Amino acid sequence: QKEVEQNSGPLSVPEGAIASLNCTYSDRGSQSFFWYRQYSGKSPELIMFIYSNGDKEDGRFTAQLNKASQYVSLLIRDSQPSDSATYLCAVKGWNTGNQFYFGTGTSLTVIP
Amino acid sequence: ETGVTQTPRHLVMGMTNKKSLKCEQHLGHNAMYWYKQSAKKPLELMFVYNFKEQTENNSVPSRFSPECPNSSHLFLHLHTLQPEDSALYLCASSPITDRGSGELFFGEGSRLTVL
Repeated sequence: QKEVEQNSGPLSVPEGAIASLNCTYSDRGSQSFFWYRQYSGKSPELIMFIYSNGDKEDGRFTAQLNKASQYVSLLIRDSQPSDSATYLCAVKGWNTGNQFYFGTGTSLTVIP
Repeated sequence: ETGVTQTPRHLVMGMTNKKSLKCEQHLGHNAMYWYKQSAKKPLELMFVYNFKEQTENNSVPSRFSPECPNSSHLFLHLHTLQPEDSALYLCASSPITDRGSGELFFGEGSRLTVL
């Protein structure tokens, strides 16, 4: 069973703070890691993907990957109320065909 | 046109009805997916098509029947559903890269309620 674990939250941060979202995965063969944002009543939209150990930055978002610890995180700097959503972590391996494994998501609320 | 379009957005059906969900992607991708999203549960992969060929069927009950006539269109035919099948059904597409499937692009979803 390939599992992806996320703290369901809710996570609350004040506007302007850094929000830190964490995800762990069980399959050491995992190679590709994705963060999706899902607003209530909407479909998931891709924020970032990361393949290599280390940090990857895109605007206010930074994805961090540590394959040895089987851990991937998403940092949101200068959090805005519009960042309030559920964040889904997804993991994919080389030998899993088209199978993406999703966590249950972390609910984030940014308080004005 | 948006990347991945799903119709209908909302569907209410009785347990004896037959209905279909439709998905169309305008991104030139070669892989298309059906996912089920229920409250408090991870996204569940139902079916995958690569270049119109079904490659994944994750033990989905036969009351769900997929159809992929070409790389841009995907259908999910529904018949004799159960109330527990009520959920958000998401269609997605992805490119095929040298790493296998690339990132998923989702449609807006079809909210299904089975009475």
